[in-house]
Amino acid sequence: QSALTQPASVSGSPGQSITISCTGTSTDVGTYNLVSWYQQHPGKAPKVIIYAVNKRPSGVSNRFSGSKSGNTASLTISGLQADDEADYYCCSYVDSVLFGGGTKLTVL
Amino acid sequence: QVQLVQSGAEVKKPGASVKVSCKTSGYTFTGYYLHWVRQAPGQGLEWMGRINPNSGDASFAQKFKGRVTMTRDTSINTAYMELTRLTSDDTAVYYCARVREASWFDPWGQGTQVIVSS
Repeated sequence: QSALTQPASVSGSPGQSITISCTGTSTDVGTYNLVSWYQQHPGKAPKVIIYAVNKRPSGVSNRFSGSKSGNTASLTISGLQADDEADYYCCSYVDSVLFGGGTKLTVL
Repeated sequence: QVQLVQSGAEVKKPGASVKVSCKTSGYTFTGYYLHWVRQAPGQGLEWMGRINPNSGDASFAQKFKGRVTMTRDTSINTAYMELTRLTSDDTAVYYCARVREASWFDPWGQGTQVIVSS
């Protein structure tokens, strides 16, 4: 199985909104609502910010939201803040686990 | 609180093996699968496999089959990942992570740096 496809980088100014896409296939992202998103700051372990496509774990800001259409899942971050600058990974957990290649978010 | 604490950094020579531990606390060890994920320098996350701490059954990504073993010791709530026949391509940070609701990872261990160099 191939990794899920994410843009290598996105950028936005403080206060703006950005969206990161994650494209899979009909056998992973497209079939099941088992997509999660992880934020990773440099030198740190990943941290979950979205699970089951659009659910937020306790303690995660409501500025983070997720959605899915067909074989593509999306992560939207609204009201960008400096601390949102990080790498973001999508993940599909079907029988095995697939990660996206990661997207570097730069807050201008 | 739930914690996963991993063993320290390792430096290995090509052809050697490495065994990384993941000590858990704050929850019922046998109640949640544990996964191993690695990240090469400057690269993305790569799934290696998972273990059911209750039964000890493990399954692995195709890429690692035959080279990886995942075990656990329920008496000390600790999981282990051993990777054999190391090459420089195995230089990476290795993470353990607990699965929740069968589909997402929380929390993650702090990571273990493994460097393979002659």
